[in-house]
This record gives sequence, C-alpha cells and structure tokens, in this order.
Amino acid sequence: NAGVTQTPKFQVLKTGQSMTLQCAQDMNHNSMYWYRQDPGMGLRLIYYSASEGTTDKGEVPNGYNVSRLNKREFSLRLESAAPSQTSVYFCASTGYGESPLHFGNGTRLTVT
Amino acid sequence: GENVEQHPSTLSVQEGDSAVIKCTYSDSASNYFPWYKQELGKRPQLIIDIRSNVGEKKDQRIAVTLNKTAKHFSLHITETQPEDSAVYFCAASRGGSYIPTFGRGTSLIVHP
Repeated sequence: NAGVTQTPKFQVLKTGQSMTLQCAQDMNHNSMYWYRQDPGMGLRLIYYSASEGTTDKGEVPNGYNVSRLNKREFSLRLESAAPSQTSVYFCASTGYGESPLHFGNGTRLTVT
Repeated sequence: GENVEQHPSTLSVQEGDSAVIKCTYSDSASNYFPWYKQELGKRPQLIIDIRSNVGEKKDQRIAVTLNKTAKHFSLHITETQPEDSAVYFCAASRGGSYIPTFGRGTSLIVHP
C-alpha cells in the first residue's frame, strides 16, 4: 500500500517551459488536491477534485491546469512556467466525510 | 469562507517542557479539526484530530482541546523531545465541504 505517490521528486525548468506533475493514490479516495508550499505561506490550495470527473479552483489557480484522469490519478500542469511558480508542490487525497488528508512526498520545483 | 488563524508562528522550548499551539476559526459550521506535523523536507502527516462532538482528545504526549463556543482549538505536547521539532499545521473543515482550511503553521524547536 503506497498511499499517495508523486513524480517527479525534483525538477528544474527554464521560464516558459511546460511540465506535468503526476499524482496517484491507491486508497480508493474520492477527493484529491494540489497544494503549493512556500516559506511563511503555509499550504495554499491550487486545485481540487471532489470526485472523479470534477475539478475546481482553489486559492491560487492562475498559471496551472489539472486533469482528474480517473479515480486514482490527478495531474497538475504548468503550461508556461514562471519563476513565481518555484515552490514545493504536494498532492493529497481523502475519503468521504470528516477524514484527514494523506499527502504525497512532494515535488520541489525550481523555475529559472 | 472559513479563516483559520494559528499562533505562535515560532515556538522555542527546552526538552521536557510543554508546548501549546492555538488556532481560531471563523465558520461556526466547522466540525472537523485535524493537526498535521511536517518534519524538515518531509510531507505533512496527521498526528491527531478532533470532531465537534468532543471537547478533548489525548494520544500519549499529545492532546487537542476544542472550545466550540469561542471557536478555538489547541494542540498540547507534554514532555517535549528533540524529535518533536517540526512545523505543525492546524486545519478546519465542515461536513459537505471538500476543502480544509489550514493555519499558516507553527515552527516548534525543542532544544536538548
């Protein structure tokens, strides 16, 4: 039981390049999330998917797109990376009702 | 929407002392309050949670208290150890909402 798996762990991009962060969970969770974490800013929600087939914007969606490919997988795409998107990105998932988030190990992204 | 304030942002204690981290929330409909611990370079992980029908919950050296009237909840760590050093996040959510709201985090430093 791997939980939430994120790839890649590290990535360096040049301004304007694109990339997709992958996330998969094996806990049969319905809801999945993408957060970014910057020093002193806590965890900020980029996008979430309440259930398969739905996606919604979070607090900081600009510059990102997401795809809920199936119940297991939720990807985050940066179409044209900017230095302001340098951050640590976490994927998370949760089941129904009042239950905690399970986080992946994170992706450390640097945009130069 | 929900707003969660967390204090202090940094807490420094001596090994063996107690540590208390406080959070306040704004949405009286919130009914689930998890606490996450994030060690340096790692993912956030749940350490304890409490639901609105309970005033206090304890797990070994960790306890959480909830005051629904005042809309605040606190994390208490007794007999702190160096391995308790980490960033701690509180969160609040309500039934029917898929979006937990996080506090900004508290960096706890336990000096040997």
